[in-house]
Amino acid sequence: GAVVSQHPSWVICKSGTSVKIECRSLDFQATTMFWYRQFPKQSLMLMATSNEGSKATYEQGVEKDKFLINHASLTLSTLTVTSAHPEDSSFYICSALAGTSGATDTQYFGPGTRLTVL
Amino acid sequence: GNSVTQMEGPVTLSEEAFLTINCTYTATGYPSLFWYVQYPGEGLQLLLKATKADDKGSNKGFEATYRKETTSFHLEKGSVQVSDSAVYFCALRVGAAGNKLTFGGGTRVLVKP
Repeated sequence: GAVVSQHPSWVICKSGTSVKIECRSLDFQATTMFWYRQFPKQSLMLMATSNEGSKATYEQGVEKDKFLINHASLTLSTLTVTSAHPEDSSFYICSALAGTSGATDTQYFGPGTRLTVL
Repeated sequence: GNSVTQMEGPVTLSEEAFLTINCTYTATGYPSLFWYVQYPGEGLQLLLKATKADDKGSNKGFEATYRKETTSFHLEKGSVQVSDSAVYFCALRVGAAGNKLTFGGGTRVLVKP
């Protein structure tokens, strides 16, 4: 099946620094990718929808200047957490949409990136 | 807005027991419904889905039927295995594939030998 990878899988950084997380679709092209945030023992909350070649669409309450998303190619989207603070510590998950039309296309999820901000 | 409510866990079962995880939803529009599974240390995987009322999704012994009258999509498996231990998420999507998924809170299932 379709595979989505994320890098790094785990990162620790100091408060005030920026961290970039990569999401790649390995064996398919994805015009649309999604970024989620998952808190411990909680559900996934959509942060933004990323379309290749255009600006990301952010969900209400998500700071676009803090969570920079770049979807520069059909197989790569990046999420940069700028000036990270301890409250940004979380599990970040991306997904990529396989297929180009219809209601039956499937989102394939990456394994997630755990960010810890000290 | 759209929302998904599923039973809280953890659910602890013995091997070969019957599993049910309840899921109900509210949606503005006609949703497609999904169950995703997250095994320890892995990403979410699509388990099954249904796109219209009365459809039954099935995979790996799991089943769920799209019940429009009760706005439900309960997940069932007749005989669980230790390998079914995971977190299960119910989700919905209204409209096209490029639209967002709305997830329930997840239910952790632990199957003991």
